[in-house]
Amino acid sequence: GENVEQHPSTLSVQEGDSAVIKCTYSDSASNYFPWYKQELGKRPQLIIDIRSNVGEKKDQRIAVTLNKTAKHFSLHITETQPEDSAVYFCAALYNFNKFYFGSGTKLNVKP
Amino acid sequence: SQTIHQWPATLVQPVGSPLSLECTVEGTSNPNLYWYRQAAGRGLQLLFYSVGIGQISSEVPQNLSASRPQDRQFILSSKKLLLSDSGFYLCAWSGGGFGQGTRLTVV
Repeated sequence: GENVEQHPSTLSVQEGDSAVIKCTYSDSASNYFPWYKQELGKRPQLIIDIRSNVGEKKDQRIAVTLNKTAKHFSLHITETQPEDSAVYFCAALYNFNKFYFGSGTKLNVKP
Repeated sequence: SQTIHQWPATLVQPVGSPLSLECTVEGTSNPNLYWYRQAAGRGLQLLFYSVGIGQISSEVPQNLSASRPQDRQFILSSKKLLLSDSGFYLCAWSGGGFGQGTRLTVV
């Protein structure tokens, strides 16, 4: 199966700074990598995703990069705002069937 | 557009009682469907996934079972709940969306 590791588990940044969350996966057959934001007590919401044929994708203040050779992908949030505070999860789609999630990163943006 | 519905939102059940959580997807056909459990402050643990009607794969041994009686319907069940079954249960589909979640408390 797949094993997704996510770091750091907690991240505290000052408002306006950038935040970077990193994930690694174990199986080179994984080909789709979404990122989710989960606010307290709510469902995870898809915020950005990337497929294995792309190296980078950007959507306003958030971007995701993928290094297939090293089997790692990262979420970058620029100009962070207090409303970015949440738990972020990475995931990898393994064997076209199963989504495996990282353990989550609790991001705290201090005003 | 595709939407995923999950109910109930909250549930308090006594130990030993049965459980049935339902999830339905609209706007797509033949989706892969998933049940996850999330303990407080923890990550998402994959419990079951289904690639089609009647096809269920279990990721971890447990007190729960899943069924897929229709293409867009996925059900999580238990015959007798344990205290350790408490948690936040999320249904998801292969398009990347999650249901609203069910907060289950077994007392």
